[in-house]
Amino acid sequence: QVQLQESGPGLVKPSQTLSLTCAVSGGSISSDDYYWSWIRQHPGKGLEWIGYIYYSGSPYYKSSLQSRLTISVDTSKSQFSLRLYSVTAADTAVYYCARARRVGDMLYFDYWGQGTLVTVSS
Amino acid sequence: QSALTQEASVSGTVGQEVTLSCTGNSNNIGSYAVAWYQQISHGAPKTVMFGNSLSSGIPDRFSGSKSGTTASLTISGLQPEDEADYYCSTWDYSLSAPVFGGGTKLTVL
Repeated sequence: QVQLQESGPGLVKPSQTLSLTCAVSGGSISSDDYYWSWIRQHPGKGLEWIGYIYYSGSPYYKSSLQSRLTISVDTSKSQFSLRLYSVTAADTAVYYCARARRVGDMLYFDYWGQGTLVTVSS
Repeated sequence: QSALTQEASVSGTVGQEVTLSCTGNSNNIGSYAVAWYQQISHGAPKTVMFGNSLSSGIPDRFSGSKSGTTASLTISGLQPEDEADYYCSTWDYSLSAPVFGGGTKLTVL
């Protein structure tokens, strides 16, 4: 059973960088059919895909966040990370990491982490 | 504003059959399979199904279908533990990205 676990600071100051890591266990992060994803949920709102990365290191970002976002992967540690720069209160959300399975030319999310709340506040 | 449109809320009584809908367009639902996610009490989302395939551990009272640009999740024999928020999701060809619906809050009366 694949397990994903997010970790990182729960409080970030405005204009600073939000950094989260997702540890993957129970399965290989280097598998061909999976992409490693970040999804967030603003308080009381729906799910928003942020971006994903393949184990070889090719990231894909939501266009509106692309200028502030970096997703990276460390296969030796079986983990991937998110860095969101110049955050504002609008980035306050629960951040989930998830495994995206490739089916044909689409992806869907089959395993999710528990999520971590990140609050942007001074 | 979400790319996919879902009812804000649906309710049903124990034992009833309820159907949740998810409407998109030819770039998403019209072209790709749909996944459904269950989120109980703001916990982590859980994958219910993808296309017509149930995820492991999901009871077979859950079923999915799609017609044109609308997908549906049907729950037969509604149970109290089915009370949750349900999100639909698929791929969008024009965005080259996954998209979600705004979610439906299912209340079991």
